[in-house]
Amino acid sequence: DAMVIQNPRYQVTQFGKPVTLSCSQTLNHNVMYWYQQKSSQAPKLLFHYYDKDFNNEADTPDNFQSRRPNTSFCFLDIRSPGLGDAAMYLCATSKGTGSIGVNTEAFFGQGTRLTVV
Amino acid sequence: GESVGLHLPTLSVQEGDNSIINCAYSNSASDYFIWYKQESGKGPQFIIDIRSNMDKRQGQRVTVLLNKTVKHLSLQIAATQPGDSAVYFCAENRSYNTDKLIFGTGTRLQVFP
Repeated sequence: DAMVIQNPRYQVTQFGKPVTLSCSQTLNHNVMYWYQQKSSQAPKLLFHYYDKDFNNEADTPDNFQSRRPNTSFCFLDIRSPGLGDAAMYLCATSKGTGSIGVNTEAFFGQGTRLTVV
Repeated sequence: GESVGLHLPTLSVQEGDNSIINCAYSNSASDYFIWYKQESGKGPQFIIDIRSNMDKRQGQRVTVLLNKTVKHLSLQIAATQPGDSAVYFCAENRSYNTDKLIFGTGTRLQVFP
């Protein structure tokens, strides 16, 4: 059974039109991550939550925002998508060091492939 | 600075041979390391992990080696099979920094008969 679920798997949006990608988890993990992955590149961390605490990466554009209304759900909002934002967006979760003193592996969803037209 | 993935290097091996995939990580304070396998169009899948207080860990057909002195990780795959063909990434976790998880440059593994 899927433990980290991303919807939709494929998203087409118009240039400049706001779009939201969603992620849900059944693992009750404290940490949730959002990554952007372009073709033949490594996943690039955009931001992550440790519980409700939001941690933004310094080079993440302001165009990218995130919300985590509860433990299970996390959203990625792209306010004005440009052609350069077309990519695979990956969500992941992990238990977090605070809960058991060490962290454990991050579990990934299958990703949402975003196309901007 | 952070590790940033660029164009992926490729490792080609013959079926049945052993594969060694290398990774350099960026932050000496990272304390937990994970190897992931990613197949086309899918999310990364956990293979094996290692904590900074260890230098070797073995799984089924896979071994991870950690050299903290030179900030280097390697993944060894024994008796490589066609199903092992994928992109492999190492990732470093920083528990001191809210469990920030950063990926290194991946390697594409191609297995030929």
